[in-house]
Amino acid sequence: EAGVAQSPRYKIIEKRQSVAFWCNPISGHATLYWYQQILGQGPKLLIQFQNNGVVDDSQLPKDRFSAERLKGVDSTLKIQPAKLEDSAVYLCASSLNSRAPEQYFGPGTRLTVT
Amino acid sequence: DAKTTQPPSMDCAEGRAANLPCNHSTISGNEYVYWYRQIHSQGPQYIIHGLKNNETNEMASLIITEDRKSSTLILPHATLRDTAVYYCIVYNNNDMRFGAGTRLTVKP
Repeated sequence: EAGVAQSPRYKIIEKRQSVAFWCNPISGHATLYWYQQILGQGPKLLIQFQNNGVVDDSQLPKDRFSAERLKGVDSTLKIQPAKLEDSAVYLCASSLNSRAPEQYFGPGTRLTVT
Repeated sequence: DAKTTQPPSMDCAEGRAANLPCNHSTISGNEYVYWYRQIHSQGPQYIIHGLKNNETNEMASLIITEDRKSSTLILPHATLRDTAVYYCIVYNNNDMRFGAGTRLTVKP
């Protein structure tokens, strides 16, 4: 089965610019997650979707980050405007549902803000 | 904050068993212990999870102490491809909080 797809794989932008990341989860997976992983740290959950509804966005910096999953399949994560401290790998993961034990992660998008 | 404590790094000889410890002294009765690993430049990969009984699958074994305050992930015959960061996570359908993990290096 195809895994979680993410694009782009790498992105370099200047601070105050905007950027968007795209994620296509595994077919049939109802739950989708976005994580931020800063170098040397473990991933940190930003937002969790169940179908097209938000389950948890308590750690999403809502003044600059937004995410959507309009049709309950693909998802986009946007940062506007970007700050230097947003430099990180942004990981998308999906699971069959919110109670499924296994999350499947994509390869991530490495963002560098200069 | 992560609810687990792991050593920052460990080495293991190729072909030998790798035993990765994890302390989770504040675990609640309905929280599971999960293990993921992250190979360089890849997303994390699920390994195994358990509640209170020992578990085994094709990748690893999970040994949970009777008081559930600690656990050990066992890779029975480590290979060079097992070199990765291993994350121990306590989870109960809330957000999965990854700590810094243990960087396991398998050496030839």
